[in-house]
Amino acid sequence: EPEVTQTPSHQVTQMGQEVILRCVPISNHLYFYWYRQILGQKVEFLVSFYNNEISEKSEIFDDQFSVERPDGSNFTLKIRSTKLEDSAMYFCARSGDGSPLHFGNGTRLTVT
Amino acid sequence: DQQVKQNSPSLSVQEGRISILNCDYTNSMFDYFLWYKKYPAEGPTFLISISSIKDKNEDGRFTVFLNKSAKHLSLHIVPSQPGDSAVYFCAASDMIKAAGNKLTFGGGTRVLVKP
Repeated sequence: EPEVTQTPSHQVTQMGQEVILRCVPISNHLYFYWYRQILGQKVEFLVSFYNNEISEKSEIFDDQFSVERPDGSNFTLKIRSTKLEDSAMYFCARSGDGSPLHFGNGTRLTVT
Repeated sequence: DQQVKQNSPSLSVQEGRISILNCDYTNSMFDYFLWYKKYPAEGPTFLISISSIKDKNEDGRFTVFLNKSAKHLSLHIVPSQPGDSAVYFCAASDMIKAAGNKLTFGGGTRVLVKP
């Protein structure tokens, strides 16, 4: 059983639409992350989140992306206006201080 | 981004034999290395890690070796079992960089263990 739960498992959206991907629920974890894996490519870091703010983000994480913990437990990734190239598996992860990252089972995002 | 490379995209091994997976890195700031295993439709699952102060770490059937001078690490699985068939990812981070543990992943090696 994964230590991180993600919803939905699969999301299909039209280009230009907004999507919100969720980690539900998470508690007592220090760090949260989003990674993605485009089909056939490497797992790539998007953003890390600590103490309710972004601690680091990659070049991929542009203005179209945002993260938040709206209610102190759910951790969300929002893509404002999806593009075809945003189609990928998106993995949420968590870690404690100095502990390895543990990933969820991912959300498959398909942009048509 | 080729900072972490797994040059073998696939590996086939007989059940009971040793599986050896290799990983090379270029960034000398990396000092913490991990191996993850991934089944289809699942997220990466943490297997084993090693920090740069060690050259070997063992956990059951899994052993990771680190050669800092060569910027090379390897994962040994012995004996290999059919349930080990999966994609294995090498990952690295700069733990000195405090919080966040951003990981840089290799491209993965698909392991098939034949009964």
